[in-house]
Amino acid sequence: NAGVMQNPRHLVRRRGQEARLRCSPMKGHSHVYWYRQLPEEGLKFMVYLQKENIIDESGMPKERFSAEFPKEGPSILRIQQVVRGDSAAYFCASSPRGANTGELFFGEGSRLTVL
Amino acid sequence: QQQVKQSPQSLIVQKGGISIINCAYENTAFDYFPWYQQFPGKGPALLIAIRPDVSEKKEGRFTISFNKSAKQFSLHIMDSQPGDSATYFCAASILGNEKLTFGTGTRLTIIP
Repeated sequence: NAGVMQNPRHLVRRRGQEARLRCSPMKGHSHVYWYRQLPEEGLKFMVYLQKENIIDESGMPKERFSAEFPKEGPSILRIQQVVRGDSAAYFCASSPRGANTGELFFGEGSRLTVL
Repeated sequence: QQQVKQSPQSLIVQKGGISIINCAYENTAFDYFPWYQQFPGKGPALLIAIRPDVSEKKEGRFTISFNKSAKQFSLHIMDSQPGDSATYFCAASILGNEKLTFGTGTRLTIIP
């Protein structure tokens, strides 16, 4: 039973380029969460999605950031016109629908470096 | 209101000793308090969790103590081992909404 799969694991972009991070949840999980971890800091909630729906995007920056979880395929976190401050580790987590256990299963993260 | 404060930022404990990490929260609606363990280059993994209807939960060498009136909870690692060296995050959420609010993390180092 594969865990949460994230790719790419490492991504380097120049200022102004776009970054796309992908997340495939665990099999049977229909809830996806994106978190950002800055160096030496904790994880900050960004967005919570279910298939074809954004449930809570209260942690997403108002501009340049977007997320989707289509009916087919992985969840995508998209960062347009990246700036150096976007350099961070982006973690995706999933949970099973209706489990009400509280547990999130995290991927190994995508580390974005903006030059 | 959504903040979870964690201390210390880093901790060095001798092998065999007790490691203690503390967290405090503000939002009284939180009813689920997990601890996550993260190794370098890896994602966080659930270690142990507690609901506020109990004051303590033990799993092996790991114990959570919970003080509802003080809005504090702590992680105790007994007989700490070098393999426990990692970053530990406390978190809180409202059960049914798995949106976790994390503390800032404690980097634990166990020395021989």
